Amino acid sequence: AQSVTQLGSHVSVSEGALVLLRCNYSSSVPPYLFWYVQYPNQGLQLLLKYTSAATLVKGINGFEAEFKKSETSFHLTKPSAHMSDAAEYFCAVTRSDKIIFGKGTRLHILP
Amino acid sequence: EAQVTQNPRYLITVTGKKLTVTCSQNMNHEYMSWYRQDPGLGLRQIYYSMNVEVTDKGDVPEGYKVSRKEKRNFPLILESPSPNQTSLYFCASSLANRRQETQYFGPGTRLLVL
Repeated sequence: AQSVTQLGSHVSVSEGALVLLRCNYSSSVPPYLFWYVQYPNQGLQLLLKYTSAATLVKGINGFEAEFKKSETSFHLTKPSAHMSDAAEYFCAVTRSDKIIFGKGTRLHILP
Repeated sequence: EAQVTQNPRYLITVTGKKLTVTCSQNMNHEYMSWYRQDPGLGLRQIYYSMNVEVTDKGDVPEGYKVSRKEKRNFPLILESPSPNQTSLYFCASSLANRRQETQYFGPGTRLLVL
């Protein structure tokens, strides 16, 4: 069965520092993987998705993620954090008829 | 503007009083779904619909009903709300029920059941 695990329910980084949010997946078939972001008082919006093309996927707002099959990982990174990146981030994997979300990681940006 | 709208955005009600949360999308999407978001549990799917008149249970359907009479609308009905249904609810839609499709989310409805 497909599932995702996000390591760390809260992550704090200083402004300007590297952002790394971890996601590991399990899937019995080649996965489709997503990162969504939820800003305060808003719905989720797509950051980026992996659909079996390039393993390094670039998304909006300077984020990117790398699909690593050997590690069953799809970690989200950004070289330099901004205050506006403070939000909750969800990794997700799809199976035949549903999308399965991780429990989310709240990113805090320290001035 | 392409969007998913939900109403109301905030709702306080009492146990047992029937309520409906509306959801509408203007993107001609076939697939629509409802989620609830609770702290530490992430998003859990309540119901989904692959097209008009086609609905199915998600992971946490108990206490909820849905209908899909028109392509654009997918209301969520709580016939007898209970306090454990206090949550943040999201409607979402996608072009089709294909694994690579992007989900588009509404702004959320925050429900408090007293």
